Amino acid sequence: DGGITQSPKYLFRKEGQNVTLSCEQNLNHDAMYWYRQDPGQGLRLIYYSQIVNDFQKGDIAEGYSVSREKKESFPLTVTSAQKNPTAFYLCASSRRGAMNTEAFFGQGTRLTVV
Amino acid sequence: QQQVKQSPQSLIVQKGGISIINCAYENTAFDYFPWYQQFPGKGPALLIAIRPDVSEKKEGRFTISFNKSAKQFSLHIMDSQPGDSATYFCAASKETSGSRLTFGEGTQLTVNP
Repeated sequence: DGGITQSPKYLFRKEGQNVTLSCEQNLNHDAMYWYRQDPGQGLRLIYYSQIVNDFQKGDIAEGYSVSREKKESFPLTVTSAQKNPTAFYLCASSRRGAMNTEAFFGQGTRLTVV
Repeated sequence: QQQVKQSPQSLIVQKGGISIINCAYENTAFDYFPWYQQFPGKGPALLIAIRPDVSEKKEGRFTISFNKSAKQFSLHIMDSQPGDSATYFCAASKETSGSRLTFGEGTQLTVNP
C-alpha cells in the first residue's frame, strides 16, 4: 500500500529533552511537509522540503529542526527550545512541479510533555 | 497572521439536513482552494477542491461555492449523514507554492441521527 507512515503514534517527552518524530513515504513524492495541529488553530506549517537535501522554514519553525537526506524520509526533531511542544504533529507529501497538487497526510503523532 | 478564516467553529446538524461551512481569505494570489476532512486521531484527507476559474464544483453530496470578488468560499454538505461527523478544514495555496497550504481554523461537524 502506498502512503505516509508516521511513528510513533504517541510520544511522551520530559521537559528539556529533544525528541524525533519519524515520517516515511513510499509515494515517490518529492515534496514533504510538517504541520502542527492545535485545537481551534487549524494546521500550521513548521518546515517543508521540495527536494532532497533542501528544506525551508514554515510559519512556526522556531524550536524545531528537520533533515532530508533521503527522498522517502523527513524526520522532525522537537528541541528543548520549543516552549510549548504538546500538540498533534502531521506529516504530508505531494508531487513537486505540478500545480496545486493534493497533499497526502500521515496518521499523525501526538506529542505530550510530561 | 491568519490568512484564511473559517466559520463556524462547530456545527450541529440533523440527519438529512444541509451543513454549510464558510471560509474567507485575504491573499488574492491564492488560486487553489481545497477542503479536507479529518476524523478523530487521523490525518486529514482531501475531500474536494476548486480553482477560481469556476464558481461552483459538485462531487456527490459535497459542493464548493466560490465567490472571487468577495474572497469567500464555502462547503455545502447535502443530506448530511452521521458518518459525515468530522472536522473540516478549508485551505488555500498559490500555484508557485505547490502544496504549501494555509489552513482555516477548522469546523467540528456533528450530524445527529
